[in-house]
Amino acid sequence: EAGVTQFPSHSVIEKGQTVTLRCDPISGHDNLYWYRRVMGKEIKFLLHFVKESKQDESGMPNNRFLAERTGGTYSTLKVQPAELEDSGVYFCASSRLTGANTEAFFGQGTRLTVV
Amino acid sequence: GEDVEQSLFLSVREGDSSVINCTYTDSSSTYLYWYKQEPGAGLQLLTYIFSNMDMKQDQRLTVLLNKKDKHLSLRIADTQTGDSAIYFCAERSGGYQKVTFGIGTKLQVIP
Repeated sequence: EAGVTQFPSHSVIEKGQTVTLRCDPISGHDNLYWYRRVMGKEIKFLLHFVKESKQDESGMPNNRFLAERTGGTYSTLKVQPAELEDSGVYFCASSRLTGANTEAFFGQGTRLTVV
Repeated sequence: GEDVEQSLFLSVREGDSSVINCTYTDSSSTYLYWYKQEPGAGLQLLTYIFSNMDMKQDQRLTVLLNKKDKHLSLRIADTQTGDSAIYFCAERSGGYQKVTFGIGTKLQVIP
């Protein structure tokens, strides 16, 4: 079974440009999460999809960030326009919808550097 | 809001035991986790404990939970160089999927 895969693994862009990160969850996982770790800080929750619906987007920093999950499969996270403080590692995770403790499986992350 | 705190760095000699500590603030935490991140890799769930448990052992790993003090620890027996990684403490309230992470403790194992 393939794990959670994220593309690209690294991205370096200039301030003001647009970047789109992609996450392919494990097949059959209805829950999909985005997290971010800014250098030297905690891994912070960004948002949570259940299938194609946004369940919780309380962690999204501002309206420069747009997450989508059309069709309830893969998800994209677009940053437009990117700012220096957006640099960090963006993790995606997925889990099954049902079960007492549905373990979330994480991808390897996308390291975003805004210069 | 929820907060999870842990020390930044721990250095141990190969063969010794490592103990990584964590405190959390959310009294409604139901699940407490330890994740491991090796260089260039994603987050790997090492182990977890339910809040109604005091201890959980899994091979070289022992998790201790003091719910009264909201203190969680991870003990790694016979630490190996392959255990060098960043260890994240995390918590989740039951029924709610959002996980709150600590800053991560970097474990360095000296041969």
